Amino acid sequence: AQSVTQPDIHITVSEGASLELRCNYSYGATPYLFWYVQSPGQGLQLLLKYFSGDTLVQGIKGFEAEFKRSQSSFNLRKPSVHWSDAAEYFCAVGVSYNTDKLIFGTGTRLQVFP
Amino acid sequence: DVKVTQSSRYLVKRTGEKVFLECVQDMDHENMFWYRQDPGLGLRLIYFSYDVKMKEKGDIPEGYSVSREKKERFSLILESASTNQTSMYLCAGSGDPDNSPLHFGNGTRLTVT
Repeated sequence: AQSVTQPDIHITVSEGASLELRCNYSYGATPYLFWYVQSPGQGLQLLLKYFSGDTLVQGIKGFEAEFKRSQSSFNLRKPSVHWSDAAEYFCAVGVSYNTDKLIFGTGTRLQVFP
Repeated sequence: DVKVTQSSRYLVKRTGEKVFLECVQDMDHENMFWYRQDPGLGLRLIYFSYDVKMKEKGDIPEGYSVSREKKERFSLILESASTNQTSMYLCAGSGDPDNSPLHFGNGTRLTVT
């Protein structure tokens, strides 16, 4: 069965620093991969998705993610973090024939210091 | 833009009460989902529906049921609320399952006392 692991529960960075949030998945075939962000008191907003093609995916708010099949990873990156990026981030995987039935990771909470 | 609306942001109910959580989407698509979100556990799928009158169990359906009488509305029902159902509940909808991600509502935080 497919699964998603986000090994970092909580990350703290300084504003302006670079960011990488880790995500590893387990799935036998080519996965459909997603990153969502949840601001306090809000629902989840899609940051970016990978279905096929270029393994480096650009998303909203200056985020990008890279699909690495050999490492079963889909890490989220941002070169310079802003205070407004403080939120919880969820990685998710969908099966190849049904991209909206997702399995979510447990989330990484990002804290940004000024 | 796609919009998914959950009717209540906060609910407080007593143990044993029957609870309805309502979700409405303005897309003309069939797919709707209910998740619960708990710290350290992420989002877990309770039920989903790909069409009116259709429902399928997700990963944690016990203690819940759903109703889909109209395409735009998907209700989650707690037949007899218990304290372990205190959680954040998120409704989501999507379009074409081959090419469309989930769009989420803002969530309903349910407290069962």
